[in-house]
Amino acid sequence: SYELTQPPSVSVSPGQTASITCSGDRLGDRYVSWYQQKPGQSPVLVMYQDTKRPSGIPERFSGSNSGNTATLTISGTQAMDEADYYCQAWDSSTVVFGGGTKLTVL
Amino acid sequence: EVQLVESGGGLVQPGGSLRLSCAASAFTFSDFDMNWVRQAPGKGLEWVSYISSSGTTIYYADSVRGRFTISRDNAKNSLYLHMTSLGAEDTAVYYCARERISMVRGATANWFDPWGQGTLVTVSS
Repeated sequence: SYELTQPPSVSVSPGQTASITCSGDRLGDRYVSWYQQKPGQSPVLVMYQDTKRPSGIPERFSGSNSGNTATLTISGTQAMDEADYYCQAWDSSTVVFGGGTKLTVL
Repeated sequence: EVQLVESGGGLVQPGGSLRLSCAASAFTFSDFDMNWVRQAPGKGLEWVSYISSSGTTIYYADSVRGRFTISRDNAKNSLYLHMTSLGAEDTAVYYCARERISMVRGATANWFDPWGQGTLVTVSS
C-alpha cells in the first residue's frame, strides 16, 4: 500500500520560514493536499493541487511537489500557525494521509 | 455558509453497531463526492470511506471493509456510515468531508473541503 511519510515535528522561530515535508514514491506524479489541525478543531484545507491556496489562507503558505517529496512552506511563521499538518494524496481507490507533523513556533 | 454536521456518535460495546449521519447544507449535496475520515485519540487522520455523488461508486479502507457501509440520501442532503462489529480500534472522532475535484493536464486532483466538526465514537465495555 502507498505510504506518505512526514517528520513528526518541526520547530521554527516566529518570523522564520517553516518547511514541512511529505515523502512518497513518485509523489510528484500525484497531486497533494495539506490540512492544518489545531487542538480540538477539525482539519482545515490550507493547500490543494500541490500549490494552490484556498481563499482565506494567508499568502505566507505555499506548496511544491516534485520527485518524491511535497513541501508545505510557511514564510514569516506566526504563533497562530502552530498546529498539526497533514499531507494527503489519492492512490488508486484509496486516500492516503501522512502521519502528521506538529509545528511548534518557539 | 457551507456546513457539514455529524451526529450519531456515542459509547458502544465491543461487537456492537452504530450509524453515523452527516447533514449537509448551503451547497448542492448531490453534486459532490463525500468521504468519512477518522482520528483516534492522539493519533493522525485515517481515511475510512468514499462515496461518489450518485452513490454508485464506493471505496473502503482495508481496516473497515466488510464491517462499515457508507451510503447517502441526496434528497435529504445526508451522508451515512453504518458501522458493525466494532472494536476498540474503531474508537475515534469521525469526520465527514466534502470532496473537491479538478482535472489538471489529464490528471485528477482531489481534496477535502470542508470538514464537519466530528462525532466521537467510543467502543468500550
